[in-house]
Amino acid sequence: DAGVIQSPRHEVTEMGQEVTLRCKPISGHDYLFWYRQTMMRGLELLIYFNNNVPIDDSGMPEDRFSAKMPNASFSTLKIQPSEPRDSAVYFCASSLARLAGLSYEQYFGPGTRLTVT
Amino acid sequence: AQSVSQHNHHVILSEAASLELGCNYSYGGTVNLFWYVQYPGQHLQLLLKYFSGDPLVKGIKGFEAEFIKSKFSFNLRKPSVQWSDTAEYFCAVNAGTGGFKTIFGAGTRLFVKA
Repeated sequence: DAGVIQSPRHEVTEMGQEVTLRCKPISGHDYLFWYRQTMMRGLELLIYFNNNVPIDDSGMPEDRFSAKMPNASFSTLKIQPSEPRDSAVYFCASSLARLAGLSYEQYFGPGTRLTVT
Repeated sequence: AQSVSQHNHHVILSEAASLELGCNYSYGGTVNLFWYVQYPGQHLQLLLKYFSGDPLVKGIKGFEAEFIKSKFSFNLRKPSVQWSDTAEYFCAVNAGTGGFKTIFGAGTRLFVKA
């Protein structure tokens, strides 16, 4: 299995531009998570989906952030307009409830390093 | 609200030294506890986990962690570190009845000198 795939791996953009981050979960997994990692705040959960449906988006910082999961094999995280304080590493993770059982283990992608100038 | 505190942001050790990374969490109910590791240039991967049973949990690469409920702690240990253990380590907690929502600590960067 290829694992969780994220693209792009690096993104540099100017303030005010729209940014779209992409994630392909492990095939068959029914949960998908978006996290943001910064030095100041550590690893924060932004939103997660179960069977393509958003379950908890309380971590999404503001309306400039949106996430979608149109099908079981693809999700996007969009920032519009982007700001310098959005600079961070964004991770996607997936999990299969049936296999994870009570342990809720997640499998992470390599992350997208976003720099907003 | 749940929170996770990792005591050290940066740790530098020489090879063969013993390692202990502290982790405390705040949540009064049943919890699942994790340590994830991120090696340079790689993605986060699970090192070990606790969700029930023996509070002393053994993971990959000789790591272990002990869940002490009375102290709300889940410290990570390794008796003798290697240069290849250089990585960032994340403690995480999940409310046992709360599904997959998992809270991560800020991470500890470990550098092992050869």
